[in-house]
Amino acid sequence: AQTVTQSQPEMSVQEAETVTLSCTYDTSESDYYLFWYKQPPSRQMILVIRQEAYKQQNATENRFSVNFQKAAKSFSLKISDSQLGDAAMYFCAYRRPTGGYQKVTFGTGTKLQVIP
Amino acid sequence: DVKVTQSSRYLVKRTGEKVFLECVQDMDHENMFWYRQDPGLGLRLIYFSYDVKMKEKGDIPEGYSVSREKKERFSLILESASTNQTSMYLCASYPMGGSRRNTGELFFGEGSRLTVL
Repeated sequence: AQTVTQSQPEMSVQEAETVTLSCTYDTSESDYYLFWYKQPPSRQMILVIRQEAYKQQNATENRFSVNFQKAAKSFSLKISDSQLGDAAMYFCAYRRPTGGYQKVTFGTGTKLQVIP
Repeated sequence: DVKVTQSSRYLVKRTGEKVFLECVQDMDHENMFWYRQDPGLGLRLIYFSYDVKMKEKGDIPEGYSVSREKKERFSLILESASTNQTSMYLCASYPMGGSRRNTGELFFGEGSRLTVL
């Protein structure tokens, strides 16, 4: 079974600084998706960034980027120029891509505090 | 934009009551999910459905049942609520795997916070 581990329950960052959230996963598959989701306080969970395992290039979305190390099964999220609106719970998630329905496995989350 | 709507944001129920949590999505997604979110435990899958009237148990199905009579609607049922079911419940959906619409992204509702007294 796939597992996703987020070892940092809480993190804090000064506004405008850079922070990296860690995620490791365990799988025997070679093809899969990895995701970071953001859940702001009392608001809907939304997708931040997605990585396809067969793509060697790290995904980037504006101030958000990932460091995907497939051999090490590591998938960290880097937030540059942190903003107050980045304060949220962040969840790392794993999913197999192949047809039909596929279960999504989540980590336990990292609560990010942004200090003004 | 995809919209996943959960019928109640906050509910307070008493032990032993029957509780219905409803979820509706408007993007014709085949797959729908119910997760439970607890601090330190992340999101745990209760049940999912890949088609009308089809359902599969997730990781923690005990004490829950589901219903999917129409494609857009997926209901979570607590037959006899207990205090250990106090939690945040999240509904999510995504299109059928292999379809062009499927980017792998899960679309979530805003959540239903249930308190059982």
